[in-house]
Amino acid sequence: GESVGLHLPTLSVQEGDNSIINCAYSNSASDYFIWYKQESGKGPQFIIDIRSNMDKRQGQRVTVLLNKTVKHLSLQIAATQPGDSAVYFCAEKRGYNTDKLIFGTGTRLQVFP
Amino acid sequence: ETGVTQSPTHLIKTRGQQVTLRCSSQSGHNTVSWYQQALGQGPQFIFQYYREEENGRGNFPPRFSGLQFPNYSSELNVNALELDDSALYLCASSPDRYNSPLHFGNGTRLTVT
Repeated sequence: GESVGLHLPTLSVQEGDNSIINCAYSNSASDYFIWYKQESGKGPQFIIDIRSNMDKRQGQRVTVLLNKTVKHLSLQIAATQPGDSAVYFCAEKRGYNTDKLIFGTGTRLQVFP
Repeated sequence: ETGVTQSPTHLIKTRGQQVTLRCSSQSGHNTVSWYQQALGQGPQFIFQYYREEENGRGNFPPRFSGLQFPNYSSELNVNALELDDSALYLCASSPDRYNSPLHFGNGTRLTVT
């Protein structure tokens, strides 16, 4: 069935450390991937995206890696801060003419001092 | 730039009733989509509108319907409410239907009793 899975439901890291959140996707035809951050009581907030013709993309303190061979996506957060605490979702899109994203259940990132 | 806004923020309805949720898309965005997010889950795609026409639908029954207006604002209507309809309903907009990130509002929390 349609699914975007996550390896770890909860990730706890110390402030200042780097965080890595992993995601497996099921459809090799997916061509666009997005990471979202969702804080309590808010909607998903766009972090970074990557297209299937890329392996890596960097933003401010975040890097997304895409491994199409094993259908794996990861989000790396450098120097994790307390404000990074949230639930992180990866989502995939298949094809054009659609805004249908397939989300996983999310990974909760907890940052402790 | 105004983001995606949704109203109301919270709503309580009784089983069997009907509800209308509203969304104003981000300025310059002509595509709107609606998602349902159950507690502890990732968002699930309901449908998408482009230029006032439904342009894609997820696995939701016909009692979920929508409208998009010329100013790109949108409504989600749900008839014959069921207890399982209790969820966070998210509206998202994008500038096109291609590989552009969706921008979400903060949602409407619907509780059906």
